[in-house]
Amino acid sequence: QSALTQPASVSGSPGQSITISCTGTSSDVGSYNLVSWYQQYPGKAPKTIIYEVTKRPSGVSNRFSGSKSVNTASLTISGLQSEDEADYYCSSYAGSSTHVVFGGGTRLTVL
Amino acid sequence: QVQLMQSGPEMKKPGASVKVSCQASGYTFTDYGISWVRQAPGQGLEWMAWISVYYGYTIYTESLQGRLTLTTDTSSKIAYMEMRSLRSDDTAVYFCARDTGGRAGMTAQFDYWGQGSLVAVGS
Repeated sequence: QSALTQPASVSGSPGQSITISCTGTSSDVGSYNLVSWYQQYPGKAPKTIIYEVTKRPSGVSNRFSGSKSVNTASLTISGLQSEDEADYYCSSYAGSSTHVVFGGGTRLTVL
Repeated sequence: QVQLMQSGPEMKKPGASVKVSCQASGYTFTDYGISWVRQAPGQGLEWMAWISVYYGYTIYTESLQGRLTLTTDTSSKIAYMEMRSLRSDDTAVYFCARDTGGRAGMTAQFDYWGQGSLVAVGS
């Protein structure tokens, strides 16, 4: 059981927008603007696509955007492309006891 | 460019120890902390620990406290993760990741990742 809750799978057609949710608690997502999102292809290392809730690392497409409301963070991918088909994980800083929590991951299928 | 290059795959017997390395390049090694994250086969990501490279201060997840040690060699720009008393459920790919929090603070925001090191534990 992961500390953050993500849907197991989402799907969309090319060109559409999809949103992946990441629900935590007031001890993690709700307390800190330290939520990240990672994209992972099978057999590869994760790649950071969003950090500090809304920031994109250099080189990451602006089709990826992040947001947060209370205890739920969200990743939106607009203009869906076939290359976006991957697993997506969220994580959050969770304070000095638990430190870091991850979501269980969401498999994105581009139809 | 920033790179984190990890050591190769390891096969270990239960009860043994393993030491995985993470060679940093392209930035001032002591200016950032390093976290270690693992991923069991077909499973999600699990944060393990963090080290302040500058101060040598470490933070470990409670479940691995006592079996895990993080160290660094600042002259060679290498971070190490050593795990003892290995069990079959430690079989996973282990990743190092650079934390954006600077010298002293862990933010759990990772901007660069190593390629991963497979550690397989079995008899």
